[in-house]
Amino acid sequence: AQKITQTQPGMFVQEKEAVTLDCTYDTSDQSYGLFWYKQPSSGEMIFLIYQGSYDEQNATEGRYSLNFQKARKSANLVISASQLGDSAMYFCAMRGVNTGFQKLVFGTGTRLLVSP
Amino acid sequence: KAGVTQTPRYLIKTRGQQVTLSCSPISGHRSVSWYQQTPGQGLQFLFEYFSETQRNKGNFPGRFSGRQFSNSRSEMNVSTLELGDSALYLCASSLEGDSNNSPLHFGNGTRLTVT
Repeated sequence: AQKITQTQPGMFVQEKEAVTLDCTYDTSDQSYGLFWYKQPSSGEMIFLIYQGSYDEQNATEGRYSLNFQKARKSANLVISASQLGDSAMYFCAMRGVNTGFQKLVFGTGTRLLVSP
Repeated sequence: KAGVTQTPRYLIKTRGQQVTLSCSPISGHRSVSWYQQTPGQGLQFLFEYFSETQRNKGNFPGRFSGRQFSNSRSEMNVSTLELGDSALYLCASSLEGDSNNSPLHFGNGTRLTVT
């Protein structure tokens, strides 16, 4: 079975600082994908970044980067230069061959609060 | 390009009733999946449809059902509502849904309250 663990229920960061949100995963799949989503209070889940299990380079998308350490089974999200609009819940998720790739397994989320 | 559209945004129902939620995927997306989000259980997978066929199903009772139409629009039905069905129901679409690098794009969700 696949499992995602996010150990930080809440994180605080000042505007313009960088912040790292932790994510570890457990899977027996060789091929899998890791995703980060942002959920503002409005409820919509916004896709941020993707990392494939065979990708050698860490994924980056603008201010978001994914620190992928395969041997440690971790996929931490790094947000550089935090903005007030980054305040939201952040979910790490994965999908893999054992679930037919059709199902995303989510972690419990980290609530990020960015202060001025 | 329009995003995933879910209707209605809010619903209030009483125990024992049934409810139907609707989801229109992003144009060209053929896979639609549904998730339930509650404070206690977090985000849980309900089911996934592709080309009008259910390909995968989560661990939910038979009261939860869904279907997909030929235009990829999907509906989810919950019969005999229970208080514990109160949740945010999220619909997501993707191009084909069966590759590990195809992100799911979510709608705003339908917030269901059962009284």
